[in-house]
Amino acid sequence: EAQVTQNPRYLITVTGKKLTVTCSQNMNHEYMSWYRQDPGLGLRQIYYSMNVEVTDKGDVPEGYKVSRKEKRNFPLILESPSPNQTSLYFCASSLVGQGPYEQYFGPGTRLTVT
Amino acid sequence: SQKIEQNSEALNIQEGKTATLTCNYTNYSPAYLQWYRQDPGRGPVFLLLIRENEKEKRKERLKVTFDTTLKQSLFHITASQPADSATYLCALRYNAGNNRKLIWGLGTSLAVNP
Repeated sequence: EAQVTQNPRYLITVTGKKLTVTCSQNMNHEYMSWYRQDPGLGLRQIYYSMNVEVTDKGDVPEGYKVSRKEKRNFPLILESPSPNQTSLYFCASSLVGQGPYEQYFGPGTRLTVT
Repeated sequence: SQKIEQNSEALNIQEGKTATLTCNYTNYSPAYLQWYRQDPGRGPVFLLLIRENEKEKRKERLKVTFDTTLKQSLFHITASQPADSATYLCALRYNAGNNRKLIWGLGTSLAVNP
């Protein structure tokens, strides 16, 4: 089954404790992206990657890091989480190229930073 | 500022009726527009895509129109069912110099009453 998986699904942590949210896709997609979704603000892109070893900032990259060492994986790293990073996070993937391509989203990770 | 707007108020309709959701945008040179469905706490799921040179697309009970003069897309669900109750997001892919960017609406909540 074609899918994007994220782990963990729920996470409660304390300010300053480094964490990683994993994302993996099995569709051989070149493009992967991380979003956060907050009430009244909608989906905002954090980082994206057009292919292995190619990453770029989205609209709200501050406080986050990513890496793309393998095509299927795109982990999101919070080196020193703060309460304003409490949010619902989604990983997404798609093909790239000339055509318009829909994005496939993971199930989400609900993060609470106290 | 550049933005994309969807009806902020929830839409309540009776089962069997046609639901019409609106997506308006400003100041973009659109490439194409996508519609997604999102259920509470879950990732968005792609529904339909329409290109800038297309007026209308259909898929089963779904229909999307795209009017680049009015800068508006309408999303219709005919013969609506309670299972159609969800939040519907529009996302616009537009040209920004040499890049293509994607911007998301906040979504419109649809409730179909039996």
